[in-house]
Amino acid sequence: QKEVEQDPGPLSVPEGAIVSLNCTYSNSAFQYFMWYRQYSRKGPELLMYTYSSGNKEDGRFTAQVDKSSKYISLFIRDSQPSDSATYLCAMIYLSGGSYIPTFGRGTSLIVHP
Amino acid sequence: DSGVTQTPKHLITATGQRVTLRCSPRSGDLSVYWYQQSLDQGLQFLIQYYNGEERAKGNILERFSAQQFPDLHSELNLSSLELGDSALYFCASSGGRNEQFFGPGTRLTVL
Repeated sequence: QKEVEQDPGPLSVPEGAIVSLNCTYSNSAFQYFMWYRQYSRKGPELLMYTYSSGNKEDGRFTAQVDKSSKYISLFIRDSQPSDSATYLCAMIYLSGGSYIPTFGRGTSLIVHP
Repeated sequence: DSGVTQTPKHLITATGQRVTLRCSPRSGDLSVYWYQQSLDQGLQFLIQYYNGEERAKGNILERFSAQQFPDLHSELNLSSLELGDSALYFCASSGGRNEQFFGPGTRLTVL
């Protein structure tokens, strides 16, 4: 079992829809949680960063963390064709004084007009 | 633009060769991370440097090595290259928190 599980998709939605992207994890030591957006052949772009359970909102994006269930989500409201990209979840745990990152495989999102 | 720069953008080389990838972090960031991204493996953490010292190791092969220089730029050296090393290589930098900001990547093709 991988430490971080993420459905690769593709997830296809119409413009204006609410998108829900999810990751589950097995390592209870993960402390920090991030979501990245990656356009084809480009570097990942940080969207959301959080370190506690609960919700964090930034514009059309809401990140949700449930540490008890080891489950994180990213919601995108009023989705746009420009949101079409691969979304990567990332998690970090502290080990021996170092922060070790682990990424999900990414979910491909397609928003069609 | 994340502020992280990587050179070269593309690299084509032959099996058995050695290449060096370069990364300049965002101004003020002391940490540099290196990642390999391939279609079948996703984004794999290779190694982290902090202010010139190795801080953490991930799935880095013995044929690969890295270093961070006093001006904080970093280089990833890949030697005895194999076909399977063809991938996108990203570096990321971070400051006081753990948010990582990625560069545009170097696409390595090994023929």
